[in-house]
Amino acid sequence: DSGVTQTPKHLITATGQRVTLRCSPRSGDLSVYWYQQSLDQGLQFLIQYYNGEERAKGNILERFSAQQFPDLHSELNLSSLELGDSALYFCASSIRTGGIADTQYFGPGTRLTVL
Amino acid sequence: AQKVTQAQTEISVVEKEDVTLDCVYETRDTTYYLFWYKQPPSGELVFLIRRNSFDEQNEISGRYSWNFQKSTSSFNFTITASQVVDSAVYFCALSEAWEGGKLIFGQGTELSVKP
Repeated sequence: DSGVTQTPKHLITATGQRVTLRCSPRSGDLSVYWYQQSLDQGLQFLIQYYNGEERAKGNILERFSAQQFPDLHSELNLSSLELGDSALYFCASSIRTGGIADTQYFGPGTRLTVL
Repeated sequence: AQKVTQAQTEISVVEKEDVTLDCVYETRDTTYYLFWYKQPPSGELVFLIRRNSFDEQNEISGRYSWNFQKSTSSFNFTITASQVVDSAVYFCALSEAWEGGKLIFGQGTELSVKP
């Protein structure tokens, strides 16, 4: 158990809908990262937050957004869902500023299925 | 552009065999970190090791060992006396100084250890 929690574990929804994925980092970690794992794209970095502020952005679609709250939990919002958004979404956390020395610990993931 | 290549898509071995998983990376940065993660069938990503670009010493942890060679841009992972519980997908990842904490993952190697 990495100490990173993600809810829900599974999510099934329809095209065009909006969903919210939630992540709680390990105790004491200030940085949160979101990744998407799909069969065709592999593991892709989406976005990083540090202490409530966006720190880095990867290949995140405009239909996707995220935020980190004062209690450091983070939410990833996916809207206007398409079939291709079906994937496993991971949250990871690290202790410091998110610099390259940090080890990222991953949550169990949320499996999103868009029908 | 930065890139991580795991050329072996799938490897199948019989229990007690030694197996080496290859990882080759490309980076223009002199300061970077390399990681290995394990993804068992249950789906979570488990951190195995972190190595920085200035430390080329090999590392051994139980049946696991890692060989980092900057001259060939490789960071290979060897499992000695493999066990069925080692069956998983293994990912190599790169984090560069100029990209902050973002992890760039290889496509993964699926290891199947048969009894």
